[in-house]
Amino acid sequence: DQQVKQNSPSLSVQEGRISILNCDYTNSMFDYFLWYKKYPAEGPTFLISISSIKDKNEDGRFTVFLNKSAKHLSLHIVPSQPGDSAVYFCAASSSNAGGTSYGKLTFGQGTILTVHP
Amino acid sequence: NAGVTQTPKFRVLKTGQSMTLLCAQDMNHEYMYWYRQDPGMGLRLIHYSVGEGTTAKGEVPDGYNVSRLKKQNFLLGLESAAPSQTSVYFCASRMDRGHGKLFFGSGTQLSVL
Repeated sequence: DQQVKQNSPSLSVQEGRISILNCDYTNSMFDYFLWYKKYPAEGPTFLISISSIKDKNEDGRFTVFLNKSAKHLSLHIVPSQPGDSAVYFCAASSSNAGGTSYGKLTFGQGTILTVHP
Repeated sequence: NAGVTQTPKFRVLKTGQSMTLLCAQDMNHEYMYWYRQDPGMGLRLIHYSVGEGTTAKGEVPDGYNVSRLKKQNFLLGLESAAPSQTSVYFCASRMDRGHGKLFFGSGTQLSVL
């Protein structure tokens, strides 16, 4: 049962244009969402996060939007740069999971972003 | 500051062999995790630890064992390796149980023939 889904395995974008990566979730207990970026032969690194009390969070070229009613979030990268080419993972956690499960992350399958010069 | 260090980086095993993957963190983090990454499956949690001397099962714990004898180290063991355990393994840590971000190691590529 995939509770966090990234339905697009890959995305190709021209340098300077907008990249939009999408993520859907099914567990209504999730209330905190994160995006991680992963380069080949490296571990994932934290990119940006959003709490369910917000619908938007911005950090430089990166913006995450959350639509709770649709259980959908998206990551916008503007403008896209060749160095943004990587695998992007969406992740979610629940404050209400209780005990030691609190803060445990559930990841999506990942989307490979390729930004062409 | 090394962060999260995983050893080895690569390993090839024959079916039935055993091995231990080592994760070490120098950030004094309480929580540590082992994930595996497979194509089309994302990152799946194998086992985790909320402090020295504690361990708990994640989503896909079968065939693996873990130990956290020291706060800075989290070991993942495969007692009898199977081809289905061919994967990339990532260790991660965080300070506490809140929504703090995870810090990941660079991964171990394991192939079981």
